[in-house]
This record gives sequence, C-alpha cells and structure tokens, in this order.
Amino acid sequence: GENVEQHPSTLSVQEGDSAVIKCTYSDSASNYFPWYKQELGKGPQLIIDIRSNVGEKKDQRIAVTLNKTAKHFSLHITETQPEDSAVYFCAASIPGNMLTFGGGTRLMVKP
Amino acid sequence: DVKVTQSSRYLVKRTGEKVFLECVQDMDHENMFWYRQDPGLGLRLIYFSYDVKMKEKGDIPEGYSVSREKKERFSLILESASTNQTSMYLCASLSVSGFADTQYFGPGTRLTVL
Repeated sequence: GENVEQHPSTLSVQEGDSAVIKCTYSDSASNYFPWYKQELGKGPQLIIDIRSNVGEKKDQRIAVTLNKTAKHFSLHITETQPEDSAVYFCAASIPGNMLTFGGGTRLMVKP
Repeated sequence: DVKVTQSSRYLVKRTGEKVFLECVQDMDHENMFWYRQDPGLGLRLIYFSYDVKMKEKGDIPEGYSVSREKKERFSLILESASTNQTSMYLCASLSVSGFADTQYFGPGTRLTVL
C-alpha cells in the first residue's frame, strides 16, 4: 500500500518568515495530494490540494508543489502569522483508494 | 457548510467497558470514516462505510467494530476498551466531486481508557 512520510515533525518560525513542510510518497500511482490544517480542539480542515497533472498550485499565502519524478510534494506558507500555528497533515491517494496521511507537522509561529 | 458532529469531545472509560462513539453528518454523503490520531503516527483508518449497512476494514480494525444503520450516522464501537485504545478519534465524511475527493472531519473525541 501507499506510505507517506512527512518532515519535519515540528517547525518553529518567526512571524513573517516562510515555512516549508515536505512529504514523500511511495506509490507512483498516487494522483491526489491534499493538505489539512488542524487547529487546537478542532478536526483537520482541507486547506489546499493538488492533482498529479499539475506541478504547482497557489492560494494567497499558501502554495503546494509536486514533483512526480521524485515522488515528493511540499507545502509553502509565506509571511506566516500567529494564526498559522497548527498541525498540518499531508496525504496521498491512489485512484479509488483511501487517503494515506503523513505523520503531521506542528507549526509554531512566534510573534 | 458541511457539518460533521461527534457525540462527545472528551470521554473517560474503564478497561473492559463497551464504548460507543457516534458521528453524524448533515450533507447526505455516502462515505464515512473513522480514524484514530496518535502523535507522530498521523491519522490511521480504522473502518469506513460507503453506504448504509456497508462497512470495510481500514488499516487498524482490531478491537473495533462499526455500525451504519442510517446514512447520516456512523458509530464506532469498542467492544471491550483497553488502555492502548486511549487516543483521539476522528470521524469524517466524503464529498466526491468531479476533480477532488474532499473529506470533512468532525472535531474529534479524546478517549481515555483507565
């Protein structure tokens, strides 16, 4: 089955700096890669996703890049703000299969 | 807005007790899921259901069962709770659009088994 690894497990940045979280996946058939943000006391919420026919996608301060050859994808957050502090999960899925999640990254943005 | 609700935010049970975790979604989604979340391990799929009375095992079904009698409700059952089932439990429902499969999560139930 699919295996997704996520790094780093914790990330601390100064407000205004950029944050990058990286994930690798094992199955080259995976074609859907969502990112979820989990704030304290809440369930994960989808923040951005990308499909394997696209190399990059942006939504305001958030961007995701995908390298199919290397089987890795990354989340980039620019101009970080304290409200970006949360746990972020990457995931991957093969068509018709369930999502496989990475281990999560705790992002702390220091004011 | 899609809403997924879980019956309890915090639950404390004793070893050997039977535990019911309830999940309700209001968007008429066919697919529903139960995950457990543990630090460093991400979200691991316990069971999922793609229709009423249908269920499929996920990656870690041992010690759990599920029930889906109505489309909007998906229950997770711990027949005899054990301390290693202390965890955060998350329910999700799935919307399948033309281009993306978006899972909507509930707020979670933090279960402690003593």
